[in-house]
Amino acid sequence: AQSVTQLDSHVSVSEGTPVLLRCNYSSSYSPSLFWYVQHPNKGLQLLLKYTSAATLVKGINGFEAEFKKSETSFHLTKPSAHMSDAAEYFCVVSDNTDKLIFGTGTRLQVFP
Amino acid sequence: GAGVSQTPSNKVTEKGKYVELRCDPISGHTALYWYRQSLGQGPEFLIYFQGTGAADDSGLPNDRFFAVRPEGSVSTLKIQRTERGDSAVYLCASSFDSLGAQYFGPGTRLTVL
Repeated sequence: AQSVTQLDSHVSVSEGTPVLLRCNYSSSYSPSLFWYVQHPNKGLQLLLKYTSAATLVKGINGFEAEFKKSETSFHLTKPSAHMSDAAEYFCVVSDNTDKLIFGTGTRLQVFP
Repeated sequence: GAGVSQTPSNKVTEKGKYVELRCDPISGHTALYWYRQSLGQGPEFLIYFQGTGAADDSGLPNDRFFAVRPEGSVSTLKIQRTERGDSAVYLCASSFDSLGAQYFGPGTRLTVL
């Protein structure tokens, strides 16, 4: 069965400092992995997607994630946080069937 | 272009009542998904349509929940005899095909009193 574990429920950073949101996955197959972001009162937005091409995936708004099979990780990073990055972030796995399996989310706070 | 839309944005009902939640997918997207997001949790899969047929309904919690997509576009999630535990945000997503990226609507917040 597929699952993802988001290691931090909350992360706080200062504006301009790096962001690291951690995610480990479990999958019997070669997984597809995603990061989605959810701003308050807005829909889920796809940040980036990994589907067995390049292991370093670049997404929107300066975010990127690296697939590490040996560590079963797919951590999300950004070199410099912006106030507008404050939101809930979800790591998601799919075994290339229909459904997405979401993690429990990491709330990112950005302080000025 | 227009994204996924869901109506109503909020629905308050009483325990035992019947509710319908509507989803309009992105035009041309053949796959449509329903998820449920409880407070403080990630979304959980309910059902997936490919065209008009339900290809996977393994996430529906019980037989009070039912969904249709009669013309392969708009979908309606129907909940009978609502219970307080059904309170959640119900999310709809669509994709060009079953393996494509899923695009989510803003959700319907259902409150059962």
